Amino acid sequence: DAKTTQPPSMDCAEGRAANLPCNHSTISGNEYVYWYRQIHSQGPQYIIHGLKNNETNEMASLIITEDRKSSTLILPHATLRDTAVYYCIVVNNAGNMLTFGGGTRLMVKP
Amino acid sequence: KAGVTQTPRYLIKTRGQQVTLSCSPISGHRSVSWYQQTPGQGLQFLFEYFSETQRNKGNFPGRFSGRQFSNSRSEMNVSTLELGDSALYLCASSVQGYSGANVLTFGAGSRLTVL
Repeated sequence: DAKTTQPPSMDCAEGRAANLPCNHSTISGNEYVYWYRQIHSQGPQYIIHGLKNNETNEMASLIITEDRKSSTLILPHATLRDTAVYYCIVVNNAGNMLTFGGGTRLMVKP
Repeated sequence: KAGVTQTPRYLIKTRGQQVTLSCSPISGHRSVSWYQQTPGQGLQFLFEYFSETQRNKGNFPGRFSGRQFSNSRSEMNVSTLELGDSALYLCASSVQGYSGANVLTFGAGSRLTVL
């Protein structure tokens, strides 16, 4: 699986949009970009995923660059409950063996 | 619907003992994978089972083993426990595998402390 690079930490003001970047410059054509988050001491929670096109769901939006070498997760109106570690993961078709990096620790502040 | 259930949630063992952790996947999910999370190494993949067969295995010693039953429930076992095995062990299930478009649902984890 391609490796990903994320900033170790970010702050965001409550109510503002949180934009979390991820670099995956070695991604292959059949690999998906997934985002999960982990709130302290809980299991990771799925947020969103995409292959080529931008995606949006009730939790977030995923913007993937045209060359697919990077992506941005957008939480449109961050709340205190969005404080968590966010993991960007690249997944191929070989099964469920996810390779987690260090993630980004997002701190939403009042 | 019920989520992924892991038992026990917390346990304490001593070095040299063995431990068995259990995972009940979401109904209808046939793939179960296991991960170890420690402060130093982060989240690391242990193994994955699909239809009672181990399909993928991470880079862990043979002391770590697992199995999956016909009802998709899975267990993992760690023998001859070491202090470094202290970790949060996470189980995740999904409908199937061999597809990038395959969302994993994680359980809350089993926190193992080895003294």
